Amino acid sequence: DGGITQSPKYLFRKEGQNVTLSCEQNLNHDAMYWYRQDPGQGLRLIYYSQIVNDFQKGDIAEGYSVSREKKESFPLTVTSAQKNPTAFYLCASNGRSTGANVLTFGAGSRLTVL
Amino acid sequence: AQKVTQAQTEISVVEKEDVTLDCVYETRDTTYYLFWYKQPPSGELVFLIRRNSFDEQNEISGRYSWNFQKSTSSFNFTITASQVVDSAVYFCALPIQGAQKLVFGQGTRLTINP
Repeated sequence: DGGITQSPKYLFRKEGQNVTLSCEQNLNHDAMYWYRQDPGQGLRLIYYSQIVNDFQKGDIAEGYSVSREKKESFPLTVTSAQKNPTAFYLCASNGRSTGANVLTFGAGSRLTVL
Repeated sequence: AQKVTQAQTEISVVEKEDVTLDCVYETRDTTYYLFWYKQPPSGELVFLIRRNSFDEQNEISGRYSWNFQKSTSSFNFTITASQVVDSAVYFCALPIQGAQKLVFGQGTRLTINP
């Protein structure tokens, strides 16, 4: 079955460390997204990519970085510059066949900074 | 700017009751889509519906129905005869015109008690 795989599901990090969250999709979708979810704040867009080797900042990109070297993969690095990295991170994708903004989501990665 | 407001942070009802989740939006676009997504306890958001602003007819899918009223900028979601499996966080969303990205509301946590 096609879908999005995020790993790890849970991640603990010490302050000052960078950490990379993996997002892989086998849906042949062109667009991929990273959202951050905090209690009571809904989902906020970090970065998105509409094609390989291209990506754009979302609303809260500071302290994060991404790459899109392959269509299937869109890893997110949470750097030490991110002041409050503890959150639930969701990866999503969208393809022409599903309709604009009809997103397929992964199960999420929960990052906790110790 | 696009904005989505879900004023109800949490709702708790007893099984078999009907429940309505409110969504109010702001947009300067003349044509637009509106979305609802469901986030069950597993964390993975699931697409429920996409509605075009041209079509103000109510949409019904089983126990779910959506009421779109352009005059009040609302897109409310009603669950009839609620079930425990309906317990989730529900998000309303609106695309940013010209960009393949969504603005999400804060979400409403719905708890259906047996």
